[in-house]
Parts: sequence; C-alpha cells; structure tokens
Amino acid sequence: AQSVTQLGSHVSVSEGALVLLRCNYSSSVPPYLFWYVQYPNQGLQLLLKYTSAATLVKGINGFEAEFKKSETSFHLTKPSAHMSDAAEYFCAVSLIKAAGNKLTFGGGTRVLVKP
Amino acid sequence: DAGVTQSPTHLIKTRGQQVTLRCSPKSGHDTVSWYQQALGQGPQFIFQYYEEEERQRGNFPDRFSGHQFPNYSSELNVNALLLGDSALYLCASSFERFSTDTQYFGPGTRLTVL
Repeated sequence: AQSVTQLGSHVSVSEGALVLLRCNYSSSVPPYLFWYVQYPNQGLQLLLKYTSAATLVKGINGFEAEFKKSETSFHLTKPSAHMSDAAEYFCAVSLIKAAGNKLTFGGGTRVLVKP
Repeated sequence: DAGVTQSPTHLIKTRGQQVTLRCSPKSGHDTVSWYQQALGQGPQFIFQYYEEEERQRGNFPDRFSGHQFPNYSSELNVNALLLGDSALYLCASSFERFSTDTQYFGPGTRLTVL
C-alpha cells in the first residue's frame, strides 16, 4: 500500500519569495509521483510528475520537484512566488505499471501569497 | 481538444435519495477514475473503469457503483445518500497504453446532501 504525507496544511509566502512545499511518500515498490494544483472551485491541474527518469523534474509555471529515494521525499519548489500561485497543492503517488493506476493523495497544502 | 467534462456542475439532494454523475474523458483516453474530495481534504479514490469493467476499487461501500460505456464515458451512482456523501466528485481520465499513467481531471461535480 502507498501513502503520502504533506507537511503543513497552510503555507504563507511573500510575493517574490521561495515557495517550498513538502511531500513524503511511502510505497512498497518504485512509485510514480505527482504534484497537482487546485484553484478555488476547480478540478486538479497537473504541475509535474516523476516517472523514474531524471530525479529533478521541471513542471509548469516555474515549479520543480526533486525525487530523493533515500529520504522518500518529493518536495515542490518555486524560486519566486507570484500572486497567481495562491491555490491548494496536492502531492500524489501511484505504483509503476500496477494493474490500474489509482492515485493516493496527501491532505493538501494551501498556499497564501502576500503582496 | 476537449478535456475531461463532468455534469452536472452542482447538485443538491436529500438523505436517502439516489444520484447519478456523468463524465466524458479526454479525447483518446480509455480509462476513467472517480475520486471523492471532502471539504478541506485530498481526493480519495473510489474506483476505476477500463474496458467497461471496474478494475480497481477504493474503500467505499457498495452504495457507490459505476458504469463505463463503449464510448469510454462513465457514470457514478450513489444510492441511499448520507450527509457524509456531500463532497466534490472528480473524474479523471488516462490512456492505458501510456506507461507514465498521467490522469487528467475534470472540474468536478459538487454534491450537497441535505
């Protein structure tokens, strides 16, 4: 079974400051890892994904994440926050080549960007 | 290229009623998954349909059932609604042959049970 823990349900950053969202996973087999963003009253939009290739993954809107197997982590970063980054962010895991690819999500981190 | 679409957008039901939610996958996708997102929580996997059969199921009671049609669209049915079923229901689609298994989400259906 797999699980995901996101540290910090709320994060507040100043515009232009570093955004760091933490995600740790538990999986019995090599995982696929994802970050999704959810704007108010909308569905989930894929930011980036790790699929066992490069450990540093670049996504949309200037976000990137690094897969660290030894730490079972997949933290999301953005060097400079923008007001439009205010949203909820979800880390998710699925199992590589499992029959069915269900996603297991963390509880989410809501990002507030201060002017 | 149309993305994942869901209908209706919002729905209000009373306890004990039954509800049907609908999902059309992204063009070219053949697999549909359903998730329940309670307020303030991450989405929880309900089940996944591929080739018109339920392939995987999460920890949800039998009151939750589904169907996939030959055109890959899908329905989620919930019987005997409880107050706790109030949530955003998300549909996601993917293409079975792609090993990277990315799921693309629709905007969701907001269900309120009174």
